[in-house]
Parts: sequence; structure tokens; C-alpha cells
Amino acid sequence: GNSVTQMEGPVTLSEEAFLTINCTYTATGYPSLFWYVQYPGEGLQLLLKATKADDKGSNKGFEATYRKETTSFHLEKGSVQVSDSAVYFCALSDYGGGSEKLVFGKGTKLTVNP
Amino acid sequence: EAGVTQSPTHLIKTRGQQATLRCSPISGHTSVYWYQQALGLGLQFLLWYDEGEERNRGNFPPRFSGRQFPNYSSELNVNALELEDSALYLCASSSGTGVADTQYFGPGTRLTVL
Repeated sequence: GNSVTQMEGPVTLSEEAFLTINCTYTATGYPSLFWYVQYPGEGLQLLLKATKADDKGSNKGFEATYRKETTSFHLEKGSVQVSDSAVYFCALSDYGGGSEKLVFGKGTKLTVNP
Repeated sequence: EAGVTQSPTHLIKTRGQQATLRCSPISGHTSVYWYQQALGLGLQFLLWYDEGEERNRGNFPPRFSGRQFPNYSSELNVNALELEDSALYLCASSSGTGVADTQYFGPGTRLTVL
């Protein structure tokens, strides 16, 4: 079945450092891809999404590009802040055969120190 | 515009009891999804409701069930609670207008089984 693999971390960075969180997927068809963020004690918030190959999703300084040739959707940010500390989940939409659900990676915990 | 709401925030039950969790989707959304986030197991799809009907369920036993009401709100029922049912239960909604609609999540209900 469809699956998502992301670097598990934890990742610890200093403020203003560059962030990359790797995400690769296995899917039949052409899923949409998502990054969600979970702050401590909260639910998931949609960070960005891309619905087809070569699309770039972006929000709050975060970016990710849908790469069909490498089946990847890596999350990047040029300069992280302490407030970016959270758990980040890569996900794909699995809608084959009438199914409609998100398949998530295991999450990457990011800690940004001042 | 109000987001997805869930109640209660926390729920404590003992083994063998039943738990009922509630979810109200974003206004205008007709699809509701339930996910379980258990420690060490990541986010797993539980159930999908659309237009009042169960459309898909994940790999969970039948004691996990639910329903969707005419106003599109939803209940998740867990019967014969087991210790391993302790988890954060997240509800999400989408507009139901097409495949791979973006899912927006609520803050979750933390279920603790003693």
C-alpha cells in the first residue's frame, strides 16, 4: 500500500539555521502531498500542500516541492525561529478505489534553541 | 470562521467501559475523518464519514464505531475499552467536493484508559 517515510529526528537547531526535513513516499497513482505541524498539546495544523508534480507549496517561510521523479516532498525553511519548535508530519492523500484518507509519516520533532 | 471542534478535551475511563467522542466539522464541510495518535504508533486512520454514511474504515476492530448526524457532526464510540486504546483521537473535516480535499484537524480528545 501507499506509505510515507520521513526522517525521524529529533532535530535540534539554533535560531536562524537552515532546516530540511526529508520525506519520501510510495504511492500508486498521483496523490496530493501535505505537511502538517503539531505544536505541543495541540492538534494538527496544515502547513502546506502540493497537488501535482513540480508544484511548490509554501507558507510561513516553509517550502516543499512535489518531486515525482524522486518521489520526495522535502520540507525546507531558510531561517528557523524558536516558535517553529513542533512536530512535523509529512502525509499523502490515499484516495484509490474509493478510499479517502491521509497516510502519515512518523513525524519529526524539531527543537529550535535561541 | 470556526474550525473543527472536538469534545471533551480529556476523557478518563477504566478498562471495559465505553467512550464517546464528539466532533463538529467546519461549516459547509460534509466529510469527517477520525484518526488515532497513539504513543509509538504514529497517526492511523480510523474512519471516514461522508453525507451520513461510513465510507471507509482503517484496520481497527469493530468495537471502534461511529456515526455522522444530519448536521454532519460525528461521534466516535469505543466499546470494551482496553489499555492500548489510550491515545489522542483527532477528527478532521473536508469539503467533500472532490478527491484529495484538504483535511482540517481539530484539537483532539485525549483518552486515557486506566
